Amino acid sequence: QSVLTQPPSVSGTPGQRVTISCSGSNSNIGTKYVYWYQQFPGTAPKLLIYRNTKRPSGVPDRFSGSKSDTSASLAISGLRSEDEATYYCSAWDDNLSGPAFGGGTKLTVL
Amino acid sequence: QVQLVESGGGAVQRGGSLRLSCAASGFTFSGYGMHWVRQAPGKGLEWVAFIRFDGTNEYYGDSVKGRFTISRDNSKNTLYLQMNSLRVDDTAVYYCAKDDGLGSGGIDQWGQGTLVPVSS
Repeated sequence: QSVLTQPPSVSGTPGQRVTISCSGSNSNIGTKYVYWYQQFPGTAPKLLIYRNTKRPSGVPDRFSGSKSDTSASLAISGLRSEDEATYYCSAWDDNLSGPAFGGGTKLTVL
Repeated sequence: QVQLVESGGGAVQRGGSLRLSCAASGFTFSGYGMHWVRQAPGKGLEWVAFIRFDGTNEYYGDSVKGRFTISRDNSKNTLYLQMNSLRVDDTAVYYCAKDDGLGSGGIDQWGQGTLVPVSS
């Protein structure tokens, strides 16, 4: 049981916009920054969004993050086949005294 | 560019011990906190441990507290994870990861991971 809750899967067609939700509590998302990571099978995760909305250099602006109260979302616009991956949200958790992760959402591009 | 290279993984029996290492390069290692994060086969990410940039404080996930020890040698740019009393459910790929240094507990760089299979 993950501290942060994500849907197990989402899907979309090329060019579409999809969103992935991440739900937490006041001990994490409600009071801390949210991070998003992208992971392809057999490879290490990669930072996609940091501090709720910021993109590291090299991440396309098709990816955007938002946060409201104890929930956060990752939006991917102009969906492409190469976006097919698993996405994880994360936020520091005061009860854990460390970063909590969501269970991951597998994105399928139909 | 930042490189994190884990080593020391491999098959171990239940109750055994193993020490993982992570060689860091491409950034000022002594200036950043470091994490270990693991991923069981087919499962999600689980934070394991964190150590401050200067090694003064360590934090652990509940599932490894009392069994695992994180440490670092800033003179060698190396992070360690000593794993004792290993259990079958410790089987996972273990990632060394660099804290982003923004005080948010975020991770901005990951190693390629090292597999630790624990057999019964």
